Amino acid sequence: AQSVTQPDIHITVSEGASLELRCNYSYGATPYLFWYVQSPGQGLQLLLKYFSGDTLVQGIKGFEAEFKRSQSSFNLRKPSVHWSDAAEYFCAVGYNTDKLIFGTGTRLQVFP
Amino acid sequence: GAGVSQSPRYKVAKRGQDVALRCDPISGHVSLFWYQQALGQGPEFLTYFQNEAQLDKSGLPSDRFFAERPEGSVSTLKIQRTQQEDSAVYLCASNDPRGDSGANVLTFGAGSRLTVL
Repeated sequence: AQSVTQPDIHITVSEGASLELRCNYSYGATPYLFWYVQSPGQGLQLLLKYFSGDTLVQGIKGFEAEFKRSQSSFNLRKPSVHWSDAAEYFCAVGYNTDKLIFGTGTRLQVFP
Repeated sequence: GAGVSQSPRYKVAKRGQDVALRCDPISGHVSLFWYQQALGQGPEFLTYFQNEAQLDKSGLPSDRFFAERPEGSVSTLKIQRTQQEDSAVYLCASNDPRGDSGANVLTFGAGSRLTVL
């Protein structure tokens, strides 16, 4: 069955530190891959997406993610975290049906 | 409109009541999706429309859940005889697979938070 795993439920980092949020997926083919961010009381905002081509993709707010086929992973990274990055982050996979499958999310807390 | 608009933002219902949640997608977006997000979980797919046609309703948890989009724009998600386990945030999303971003790039609304007492 298709699934998305985000192994870290909660991550705490200091402002200015680097960040990596993990995402693994299970599927028979290469899916479309997404990272969304959700602030409290808000909808989901797309950070970045991977459809094909260059496996390192750049997104908004200084985020990037790397698709590694051999590891079925699509980890999200940011070199220097800002306090405003505190939010819930969701990895998702999608296919031609347009139906996205989301992970359970990683809550990011940023300390000054 | 500029974004996906959902109403009401908050709804409290007594167990057994019927509720209706509205979604107004981005103008011109042909695809519309409903997701359910339980507390502490990721969104889970409920149903999908292309224009007025409901192409996939495999995620609807029971026959108490019903969605419609009669004119291919605004959609309503109706939950009959609400139960406590229906408490969740209901997210609506839309996209235009003909656009530059292509399929799968969804724009989400802020959601309707349903609490069933």
